[in-house]
Amino acid sequence: AQSVTQPDIHITVSEGASLELRCNYSYGATPYLFWYVQSPGQGLQLLLKYFSGDTLVQGIKGFEAEFKRSQSSFNLRKPSVHWSDAAEYFCAVPLLSGGSYIPTFGRGTSLIVHP
Amino acid sequence: GAGVSQSPRYKVAKRGQDVALRCDPISGHVSLFWYQQALGQGPEFLTYFQNEAQLDKSGLPSDRFFAERPEGSVSTLKIQRTQQEDSAVYLCASSFRPGANVLTFGAGSRLTVL
Repeated sequence: AQSVTQPDIHITVSEGASLELRCNYSYGATPYLFWYVQSPGQGLQLLLKYFSGDTLVQGIKGFEAEFKRSQSSFNLRKPSVHWSDAAEYFCAVPLLSGGSYIPTFGRGTSLIVHP
Repeated sequence: GAGVSQSPRYKVAKRGQDVALRCDPISGHVSLFWYQQALGQGPEFLTYFQNEAQLDKSGLPSDRFFAERPEGSVSTLKIQRTQQEDSAVYLCASSFRPGANVLTFGAGSRLTVL
């Protein structure tokens, strides 16, 4: 079955440390892949997307993600985390439902940043 | 408008009341999605519109949930006879193209059913 999985519910890092948030998908072909961020009380904001081409994509706020077909993964990275990066992060994949592609979200990873 | 606008931002309802949640998408956006987000969870798909046509409503949890987008712009999500398990944030998102592309989300409507 098609799905998107974020294995880590919480990740805690120190400010200035590097970050990697995991996302795995189950899909028959190469999907479109997205990462969104949600700050408390807010809607989701797009960080970056992968459609095709270069497997390393750059996003806003210094984030990047790498598509690895062999691992069915699209992990989000940042070399140096800032306290303002504390938020909820969601990976999303459009999955086919009733003839339409529906953006389907992982359960999210909560990033906690220690000073 | 510049973004997706949702109202009300907060709604408290007594169990059994009907509620209506409004979404005003970005002008010209063809696709509109509703999601339900429980505390500590990811957004769960409810329903999808392409213009005024409701193409997928497979995520609506029961027949108490109803959504419409009669003129292909503003959408309303209605929940009849609310139950405590309906307490959640309801997110609306729109996209310029049909199908699943980049979504722009509203801030959500937080529903609390007492």
